[in-house]
Amino acid sequence: GEDVEQSLFLSVREGDSSVINCTYTDSSSTYLYWYKQEPGAGLQLLTYIFSNMDMKQDQRLTVLLNKKDKHLSLRIADTQTGDSAIYFCAESKMDSSYKLIFGSGTRLLVRP
Amino acid sequence: DTEVTQTPKHLVMGMTNKKSLKCEQHMGHRAMYWYKQKAKKPPELMFVYSYEKLSINESVPSRFSPECPNSSLLNLHLHALQPEDSALYLCASSQAAGQPTYEQYFGPGTRLTVT
Repeated sequence: GEDVEQSLFLSVREGDSSVINCTYTDSSSTYLYWYKQEPGAGLQLLTYIFSNMDMKQDQRLTVLLNKKDKHLSLRIADTQTGDSAIYFCAESKMDSSYKLIFGSGTRLLVRP
Repeated sequence: DTEVTQTPKHLVMGMTNKKSLKCEQHMGHRAMYWYKQKAKKPPELMFVYSYEKLSINESVPSRFSPECPNSSLLNLHLHALQPEDSALYLCASSQAAGQPTYEQYFGPGTRLTVT
């Protein structure tokens, strides 16, 4: 199947860490992505990870991939109010790698 | 310049109108995409152009007609739309299609309302 699933909502306090989770079902997925979408705006690619990697760190962002469980997470350290947005995970597969399959999105609310 | 621009930002049209959405990029990208995003939903791929040729049509109704007049421009012509076509229409581009390492850059979208 092609389902990519995410929890719908996460609320954290400013300065705390946020962890957004994603599960996918297709083991042929090659690249997995995290996109951020602010209200009324397009999507901004935050980071991506190749499926043979376990972890990738980029400043405040840490991506963890558990390929056995088909679980992807995005950790945002020191979350700021400007991080409030919808976060989409997406996968692209070797057989149709032009196509991004998006999860349903997780709305992150950062409380002051 | 890593910007994808889209015009108009907002569009309200009646079901009998004909209108067009425009998308432009000057990054030298040879793949361009149209996505449709309904409220509180993820984007769904509609069309992919590769080297100015339509390579993918995700079974989109013919009332949506894409056009790629040159490598920098992508249009979406709209005719006889239905209220359920109201959505945010996102354009994206990437260096090439079929290569997952090539990032897709998204425009801000056109918010379309069909009355």
